[in-house]
Amino acid sequence: AAGVIQSPRHLIKEKRETATLKCYPIPRHDTVYWYQQGPGQDPQFLISFYEKMQSDKGSIPDRFSAQQFSDYHSELNMSSLELGDSALYFCASSLEGGQGNEQYFGPGTRLTVT
Amino acid sequence: SQELEQSPQSLIVQEGKNLTINCTSSKTLYGLYWYKQKYGEGLIFLMMLQKGGEEKSHEKITAKLDEKKQQSSLHITASQPSHAGIYLCGADVVGFQKLVFGTGTRLLVSP
Repeated sequence: AAGVIQSPRHLIKEKRETATLKCYPIPRHDTVYWYQQGPGQDPQFLISFYEKMQSDKGSIPDRFSAQQFSDYHSELNMSSLELGDSALYFCASSLEGGQGNEQYFGPGTRLTVT
Repeated sequence: SQELEQSPQSLIVQEGKNLTINCTSSKTLYGLYWYKQKYGEGLIFLMMLQKGGEEKSHEKITAKLDEKKQQSSLHITASQPSHAGIYLCGADVVGFQKLVFGTGTRLLVSP
């Protein structure tokens, strides 16, 4: 069965550069969530989208922005990267706003900021 | 403070032994998820529990939800080396499906 796809899988950037992470949800899933997992930390919710509209916002820095497109894929844009942004970024998807539905995670994008 | 507490933090069991991992929430649970993560890799969905008293099984893994206690347990029967990894419980404590996660339980299964 098709799973959540994230690209790239690995990304190395320098401080103050920008990065764009992409997420392709499971087919028919209309809700996308972004999480950040720092080294040795549990995943922290960043932001979510339902039907191309932002549905919830967590601890996402102002330097980050995200959107969901008409084909339901989502992109997380990160600017003015800092060393502390180095983390594993997960995208998850679910169906119908997530209400009572399972949430599946992608393999993650490992971002390293040097 | 952590909204979700997992115990134990780490566990080493001999192959073939049973084990239980607990997850306790300080808030009302609208949904409780169990995931498995290999180091530095993605989260593999195991189970989702929503109703009090609900119990689900997949192969040798069983999870239960005690809604009143705001607690879930994950039980592995006859553990195998393939069960090794980090088990994370995630909970919807707001009702809008964004998840907060526990600190994880690192499981090692020795031959």
